[in-house]
Amino acid sequence: AQTVTQSQPEMSVQEAETVTLSCTYDTSESDYYLFWYKQPPSRQMILVIRQEAYKQQNATENRFSVNFQKAAKSFSLKISDSQLGDAAMYFCAYRSPYSGGGGNKLTFGTGTQLKVEL
Amino acid sequence: NAGVTQTPKFQVLKTGQSMTLQCAQDMNHEYMSWYRQDPGMGLRLIHYSVGAGITDQGEVPNGYNVSRSTTEDFPLRLLSAAPSQTSVYFCASMAGGPPRDNEQFFGPGTRLTVL
Repeated sequence: AQTVTQSQPEMSVQEAETVTLSCTYDTSESDYYLFWYKQPPSRQMILVIRQEAYKQQNATENRFSVNFQKAAKSFSLKISDSQLGDAAMYFCAYRSPYSGGGGNKLTFGTGTQLKVEL
Repeated sequence: NAGVTQTPKFQVLKTGQSMTLQCAQDMNHEYMSWYRQDPGMGLRLIHYSVGAGITDQGEVPNGYNVSRSTTEDFPLRLLSAAPSQTSVYFCASMAGGPPRDNEQFFGPGTRLTVL
């Protein structure tokens, strides 16, 4: 079974600064998908960025980028030019490449609460 | 499109009561699932469905039942609520077929308290 570990329960960053959230995972599969979800106080789960394991290039979405290290099974999220609206719980998640059944399920880490300070 | 909708948003039950959490999606997605979110534990899969008439258990299915009579709806039933089921519940849906580019869409969640 796959596991996802987020070792930072809380992080703080100054507005306009850069912060990196860590995530490691364990899997025996060679192809898979990794995600970062943002959960603001509204509770809504918002997809921030995704990475496909077969792609060596790190994914980027505006101020959000990842550092995907497949051999180390590491998937960190970097937020540049942090804004007050970035304050939220961030979850790292893993998904198997196989369609159907449990292969579509997401395995989540325990989350990192990000605070953005003025 | 309304996306994934859940009702109610909040609910308080007494131990032993039953209730159904409703979930509906208007995107014609084949795959639907229920997760529960507990402090310090992330989201965990309760049950899922790969299409109308087909359901299966996830990681934490005990105490919950599901059915999928239509593509749109995937209700979650608590037959006899227990305090351990106090949690936030999320419904999610995803298009079928190869998941390579598919995204799971989440509902807004239901906060359930069992006294």
